[in-house]
Amino acid sequence: GQNIDQPTEMTATEGAIVQINCTYQTSGFNGLFWYQQHAGEAPTFLSYNVLDGLEEKGRFSSFLSRSKGYSYLLLKELQMKDSASYLCVVRRWTGGGNKLTFGTGTQLKVEL
Amino acid sequence: SAVISQKPSRDICQRGTSLTIQCQVDSQVTMMFWYRQQPGQSLTLIATANQGSEATYESGFVIDKFPISRPNLTFSTLTVSNMSPEDSSIYLCSVRPGQGGIQYFGAGTRLSVL
Repeated sequence: GQNIDQPTEMTATEGAIVQINCTYQTSGFNGLFWYQQHAGEAPTFLSYNVLDGLEEKGRFSSFLSRSKGYSYLLLKELQMKDSASYLCVVRRWTGGGNKLTFGTGTQLKVEL
Repeated sequence: SAVISQKPSRDICQRGTSLTIQCQVDSQVTMMFWYRQQPGQSLTLIATANQGSEATYESGFVIDKFPISRPNLTFSTLTVSNMSPEDSSIYLCSVRPGQGGIQYFGAGTRLSVL
């Protein structure tokens, strides 16, 4: 089966750096996404990794190690607006197409 | 990218009634998806709705309970039928417009069943 683990909640200080970890177990791995979801709003795409290594996009970076089934999302220069839930999402190939499996999300609270 | 509009944004319904949720996309897309997000849980795929074919339902979801329409490449509806309190959830529409595989989501419909 598929399994995704990420911390339920984290707290960090404005201006700091925070790393949100995600471990997964799946067959047919075909990429990993990170989404941000503010309360009552749509999940929005942040990053995508399919090969091992680091992908950087502004204040956000995402890392993937396929052999370890591990990813992290790194947020730098934290702002209050970064308070949200961060979803680790694994894409797998099922033979009939790609399907997404969602983690339960990490609720990040940014404090002054 | 894609911009998705969902209606209604929220509703409170009585047990035994049905609610139809609409999803409108600002561009033509082949693949549309309907998800459910129960309180404190992750998103769960209900079905995939491709234009011109019947929707494909995931294990645990059936057409009689969640009928889906997909009349064209920019629009879909999901009906939650014969509702019970266990159907109280957020229902989200999602599309995958390009080859890159990124999925975009609507803001969701927050349903409460009394």
